[in-house]
Amino acid sequence: AQSVAQPEDQVNVAEGNPLTVKCTYSVSGNPYLFWYVQYPNRGLQFLLKYITGDNLVKGSYGFEAEFNKSQTSFHLKKPSALVSDSALYFCAVVRSARQLTFGSGTQLTVLP
Amino acid sequence: GAGVSQSPSNKVTEKGKDVELRCDPISGHTALYWYRQSLGQGLEFLIYFQGNSAPDKSGLPSDRFSAERTGGSVSTLTIQRTQQEDSAVYLCASSSGGNQPQHFGDGTRLSIL
Repeated sequence: AQSVAQPEDQVNVAEGNPLTVKCTYSVSGNPYLFWYVQYPNRGLQFLLKYITGDNLVKGSYGFEAEFNKSQTSFHLKKPSALVSDSALYFCAVVRSARQLTFGSGTQLTVLP
Repeated sequence: GAGVSQSPSNKVTEKGKDVELRCDPISGHTALYWYRQSLGQGLEFLIYFQGNSAPDKSGLPSDRFSAERTGGSVSTLTIQRTQQEDSAVYLCASSSGGNQPQHFGDGTRLSIL
């Protein structure tokens, strides 16, 4: 069965510094990977996806993610963090056009 | 533009009562999903509708849970004889199908007393 793991429950970073939120996946075959962000009392917002093609995927709000097949990773990155980026981030995988399987989430706090 | 709309935003009910949660997807989206978010279990898939096909109910936790989607649009998730462990945020999402991104509503926060 497909799964994703987010090894860090909490990530703290200073405003203006680069940020990384880690995700690894376990899928047989080609993975379809997504990142979502959730602000308090809101639903999930789509950030970016990897289906095929370039390993570096660019998404919303200046976020990007790098697909690494050899390390089975799909880490979310941003060159310069903003306080407003503070939120809960979820990595997810789907094998077919069906449900998403989510990681446990990583709480990102950007300190001013 | 209009996103996924869910109602009510909050629901408090007594154990043993039935509840209905509503989801109005983005117009034209053929796929509709229900998820549950709770502290202990994270985000869990419940059920998936695609067009006129039979729904994928593989994530429903018990036979007290059911869902329908009328006319390929609005969906209702029904929980019968609610239990305290049903307390969670219930999220609905829709997409245009394939591997297109799912767009989420803000959820219904369900509290069982």
